Amino acid sequence: RKEVEQDPGPFNVPEGATVAFNCTYSNSASQSFFWYRQDCRKEPKLLMSVYSSGNEDGRFTAQLNRASQYISLLIRDSKLSDSATYLCVVKGSSNTGKLIFGQGTTLQVKP
Amino acid sequence: DAGVIQSPRHEVTEMGQEVTLRCKPISGHDYLFWYRQTMMRGLELLIYFNNNVPIDDSGMPEDRFSAKMPNASFSTLKIQPSEPRDSAVYFCASGVGQNIQYFGAGTRLSVL
Repeated sequence: RKEVEQDPGPFNVPEGATVAFNCTYSNSASQSFFWYRQDCRKEPKLLMSVYSSGNEDGRFTAQLNRASQYISLLIRDSKLSDSATYLCVVKGSSNTGKLIFGQGTTLQVKP
Repeated sequence: DAGVIQSPRHEVTEMGQEVTLRCKPISGHDYLFWYRQTMMRGLELLIYFNNNVPIDDSGMPEDRFSAKMPNASFSTLKIQPSEPRDSAVYFCASGVGQNIQYFGAGTRLSVL
């Protein structure tokens, strides 16, 4: 079983739609969680950290469910520019710098 | 700040040749990471350094791969000899502390 699992998609949605991605992780002791965004043929960039209480940044909302070991990302009012691959990232419990990246979920927003 | 700088951006080489990838981290960052990304395996951590010291190289595929960080502003990833299965995008990332990482634009390596 992979340490971080995501549905690769692609998710094809019209502009203005709301779309949600989930990600599951296997290490129950994981402490830090993030969503990164990667555009085609570009480098990954941090989208947002995921906090235990959930957090929102504009149209983006991230949630963490420790009991079920999953993380979610909700995008409201999707824009064409949201088309990208979204990477779920988990940091383990030990005091190391190692981040584990999921394979990513691809989102295509259509006009 | 210019961000993480990687060179070259593209590298095409023949099987058996030595390949050296270079990375300049963001000034002041104490962590440096090397990743490899392929369609099949996604983004894999190869090795990371803290204050120029290699901490975890468990992701380095085999002895053909080596990485160095002689000072805080420079790191190299070397493949010798290169093989076609090494074809991938290699990213360098740096960060302060152990969480948020800033990636360079990557080196797209093709081994023929």
